[in-house]
Amino acid sequence: RKEVEQDPGPFNVPEGATVAFNCTYSNSASQSFFWYRQDCRKEPKLLMSVYSSGNEDGRFTAQLNRASQYISLLIRDSKLSDSATYLCVVNLRGGGADGLTFGKGTHLIIQP
Amino acid sequence: SAVISQKPSRDICQRGTSLTIQCQVDSQVTMMFWYRQQPGQSLTLIATANQGSEATYESGFVIDKFPISRPNLTFSTLTVSNMSPEDSSIYLCSVVVGGIDTQYFGPGTRLTVL
Repeated sequence: RKEVEQDPGPFNVPEGATVAFNCTYSNSASQSFFWYRQDCRKEPKLLMSVYSSGNEDGRFTAQLNRASQYISLLIRDSKLSDSATYLCVVNLRGGGADGLTFGKGTHLIIQP
Repeated sequence: SAVISQKPSRDICQRGTSLTIQCQVDSQVTMMFWYRQQPGQSLTLIATANQGSEATYESGFVIDKFPISRPNLTFSTLTVSNMSPEDSSIYLCSVVVGGIDTQYFGPGTRLTVL
């Protein structure tokens, strides 16, 4: 299994729809999980951390499934401005900021 | 979070030359990192820039090729030495602020080697 794996997409979704994508990771001992957003020709920006209990921030919901070793991101009522690449990030070394491994990203296109 | 700037924002260089990229943070941070993002790929950690000591390099990256300086808690440089077209990439610095491993990124330096 690849260390951090995502469906590259692109996901073409109409505005207002709900979209979800998953990310699988290889190390069951991983403790930290994040979703970052990267716009074209820009740096990645933290979207949200993913907690064991799951967490919600407005239209965005992130969940962790340790048993199956994946995290998910759900976007409700999608906006045109949500179009971006979403990077799944996992600390595969269990701890320490130098252990972050980035997935290749899922490309999302919201269509009017 | 922190305000992070990088210089230059982009450059086009000839093979065999070297380029030094600067990363400046508006506050003191303990942990600072350098990443590379090659075209169509995700981010790969090059090294951890340690203040007052030698950088810690990831597998596949060596000090002779990517020397790093970290003279204080707000500044670091990454040099890409003896460049080849394969070094064409975006180079990003990042810092940890707040959480144990939550990282914030600079705007990146887009390097093209001819």
